[in-house]
Amino acid sequence: KNEVEQSPQNLTAQEGEFITINCSYSVGISALHWLQQHPGGGIVSLFMLSSGKKKHGRLIATINIQEKHSSLHITASHPRDSAVYICAVTANFGNEKLTFGTGTRLTIIP
Amino acid sequence: DAGVIQSPRHEVTEMGQEVTLRCKPISGHNSLFWYRQTMMRGLELLIYFNNNVPIDDSGMPEDRFSAKMPNASFSTLKIQPSEPRDSAVYFCASSPKWGRGNSPLHFGNGTRLTVT
Repeated sequence: KNEVEQSPQNLTAQEGEFITINCSYSVGISALHWLQQHPGGGIVSLFMLSSGKKKHGRLIATINIQEKHSSLHITASHPRDSAVYICAVTANFGNEKLTFGTGTRLTIIP
Repeated sequence: DAGVIQSPRHEVTEMGQEVTLRCKPISGHNSLFWYRQTMMRGLELLIYFNNNVPIDDSGMPEDRFSAKMPNASFSTLKIQPSEPRDSAVYFCASSPKWGRGNSPLHFGNGTRLTVT
């Protein structure tokens, strides 16, 4: 079993729909990261959180430390949101090493 | 701020050749990471440095791989000799401060390596 599991693996939705991507992890963590990788390949860090909730524009990330679960939400989805979204965690034994989920491929249809 | 700069963007080489990938982190960042991405294994950490010192190289697959960071503004990842299974996209990333993973990461655009 992977230490970081994401669901779904693939998600196709119509423009405007509310999107939820889930991430579960099995280790104690010091931080959880949500990354976005566009078809061109570049990776952008969207959020880094260790508790609660963060919001940036139409993107919202939440984390429940007790349940070892995080969600990434996209409101009013748009075709430009089409990308692979990757969850990654840093275990809480004091170093910077990230463990990655396998990613969720999101496609938003106009 | 130019971001993390990697070169080359693409590298095609024959099996057995030496390959050197280069990275310039964001100025002032003191942690630097080398990642590899393949279809089969996704993203994997190869090695990371803090203040130019290698901290964790447990992800380096074998002795053919080596990484250096001679100063705060430059790092190299070398594969010698290269093999077809090394074909992947190699990302460099930097972060602004040493800590318990609580620093945001800034990725370069990656180097797509193809070994024939």
